[in-house]
Amino acid sequence: KAGVTQTPRYLIKTRGQQVTLSCSPISGHRSVSWYQQTPGQGLQFLFEYFSETQRNKGNFPGRFSGRQFSNSRSEMNVSTLELGDSALYLCASTIGGGELFFGEGSRLTVL
Amino acid sequence: QQPVQSPQAVILREGEDAVINCSSSKALYSVHWYRQKHGEAPVFLMILLKGGEQKGHDKISASFNEKKQQSSLYLTASQLSYSGTYFCGTELGNRDDKIIFGKGTRLHILP
Repeated sequence: KAGVTQTPRYLIKTRGQQVTLSCSPISGHRSVSWYQQTPGQGLQFLFEYFSETQRNKGNFPGRFSGRQFSNSRSEMNVSTLELGDSALYLCASTIGGGELFFGEGSRLTVL
Repeated sequence: QQPVQSPQAVILREGEDAVINCSSSKALYSVHWYRQKHGEAPVFLMILLKGGEQKGHDKISASFNEKKQQSSLYLTASQLSYSGTYFCGTELGNRDDKIIFGKGTRLHILP
């Protein structure tokens, strides 16, 4: 059974640019959550999608957005990048409540 | 809303025991525990639901005190493989609520 796949794994952007990250959940999982991980801050919740609808949202500015497609694949977008957006972005899928299965993450560096 | 974990870091010798605590200022529906090794994705350890249950497998167990809104993770006779960062995640309302993680506890096991 394939795990959660995130692409790209690494990327470098400059301030002001925008970025799109992709997450393919485990087959059959309908819920996808996104987290931002930075040193010392742990895993900060961004948002969660279930059946193409945003079910939960964290306390991030509107520059951070996401969506989920009918095949449960999800994307998140960050516009007008800032230096502070440099982080590891983790995606996690679950059938619906319960254990989260994390991908290996997309490491974003903003210069 | 972010749960508070303590200690922030701990160093042990192989065979020693460790306790990691997680506390919330709000009533909890569930507590999750995950371990993340350096450069890897977080991996699920266990979930505890409200009701004051205790769970465990192998030499890792956890308790959940619903009234105190606290959970503790117990690592008995620690092994080198237990090294990593441990995160507790909490759900407030129900199983479909977002999971908010603490900042993590770094555990280093020395031979």
